[in-house]
Amino acid sequence: NAGVTQTPKFQVLKTGQSMTLQCAQDMNHEYMSWYRQDPGMGLRLIHYSVGAGITDQGEVPNGYNVSRSTTEDFPLRLLSAAPSQTSVYFCATGSGGPDAVGPYNEQFFGPGTRLTVL
Amino acid sequence: SQQGEEDPQALSIQEGENATMNCSYKTSINNLQWYRQNSGRGLVHLILIRSNEREKHSGRLRVTLDTSKKSSSLLITASRAADTASYFCATVDTGGFKTIFGAGTRLFVKA
Repeated sequence: NAGVTQTPKFQVLKTGQSMTLQCAQDMNHEYMSWYRQDPGMGLRLIHYSVGAGITDQGEVPNGYNVSRSTTEDFPLRLLSAAPSQTSVYFCATGSGGPDAVGPYNEQFFGPGTRLTVL
Repeated sequence: SQQGEEDPQALSIQEGENATMNCSYKTSINNLQWYRQNSGRGLVHLILIRSNEREKHSGRLRVTLDTSKKSSSLLITASRAADTASYFCATVDTGGFKTIFGAGTRLFVKA
């Protein structure tokens, strides 16, 4: 099993460009989430999903869009990249919780995408 | 704003010594989790403690939770050079959908 995979590993964008970060999982988890990690800081939740067709905002959602059409995939879209979005982005999956679809159990993280916006 | 506050921010010890990291949080939680992150890598889950538990052990790890003080501690016994990493606490809210991470403790274990 691959677990949680993210592509690309590295990306450089110019201000104003858009792009999609990909996240895929083969763990059959309903819960998926996106975080950003800035230097010297912990992870901050951007968006999360509790199943196909259901998404909600986290702590820092502005400038990002998500959708969830399948259990396996949870792409993160940057609409118009800004230098403040330079960060490392992590996708994670989890299981257990209200109606068994939250992160009540351990979460599994992808290897991250390092994004630089010039 | 981040819920978890971790203390210390950095810790340097000799191999064989114990390392203790503390985490405080602000709101009601379902559970608290500890993760390790090696430089440039993703996070790896270490241990989870639920709000109705006070102490858990896993190998060389011991975690405590005091919900009245809204705090937790992670103890790593007999540290090894391979334990050098950043350690993060993460709280899952009682609604069960949002995880909030602390800023982390950077542990350096000298061989």
